[in-house]
Amino acid sequence: NAGVTQTPKFQVLKTGQSMTLQCAQDMNHNSMYWYRQDPGMGLRLIYYSASEGTTDKGEVPNGYNVSRLNKREFSLRLESAAPSQTSVYFCASSESKTEAFFGQGTRLTVV
Amino acid sequence: QKEVEQNSGPLSVPEGAIASLNCTYSDRVSQSFFWYRQYSGKSPELIMSIYSNGDKEDGRFTAQLNKASQYVSLLIRDSQPSDSATYLCAVIGYQKVTFGTGTKLQVIP
Repeated sequence: NAGVTQTPKFQVLKTGQSMTLQCAQDMNHNSMYWYRQDPGMGLRLIYYSASEGTTDKGEVPNGYNVSRLNKREFSLRLESAAPSQTSVYFCASSESKTEAFFGQGTRLTVV
Repeated sequence: QKEVEQNSGPLSVPEGAIASLNCTYSDRVSQSFFWYRQYSGKSPELIMSIYSNGDKEDGRFTAQLNKASQYVSLLIRDSQPSDSATYLCAVIGYQKVTFGTGTKLQVIP
């Protein structure tokens, strides 16, 4: 009964490096989301995917790309990491109009 | 105007008191409303959902929704130190879930 699984849990990058955060859900949900959470800023939506094959920008999409690989998986890519992208990243999934379930988060530090 | 607004707090209440958390939203077509609790360093976890006007009670928690005034609130009765956390309001509008910035609650023993 895994729910939403994110990898990795922790990551340190140098400025300019690239990486992909992975997210998978086993609840057969149509919608998946990537959020970042910074102190005092709450959860800010980076990108979301309302269904397999579609992605849309959220509030803070600059510097990120996403791929909805299939119904289960939704990845977030940082092509050239910047210190401003130091944050905690959460993946979540939901079915239409119902609550979102969260992964355990990825703590990313860009130095 | 932010889509979902909450007072960031901290809201401090003594143990055993009622804690009242409020949230307003801007999208009138929003249909689903949720309260999440987030402990420091952890993921948000759902504690209440509400879909229609009025009150919904679950144990010590009561969610209240007023769609005409576009606000949703959470009451925590008999507050315990273990309730100390950040409470996030979430609203589902067209296709996506939007969160408020959260209210930090401190329950003083």
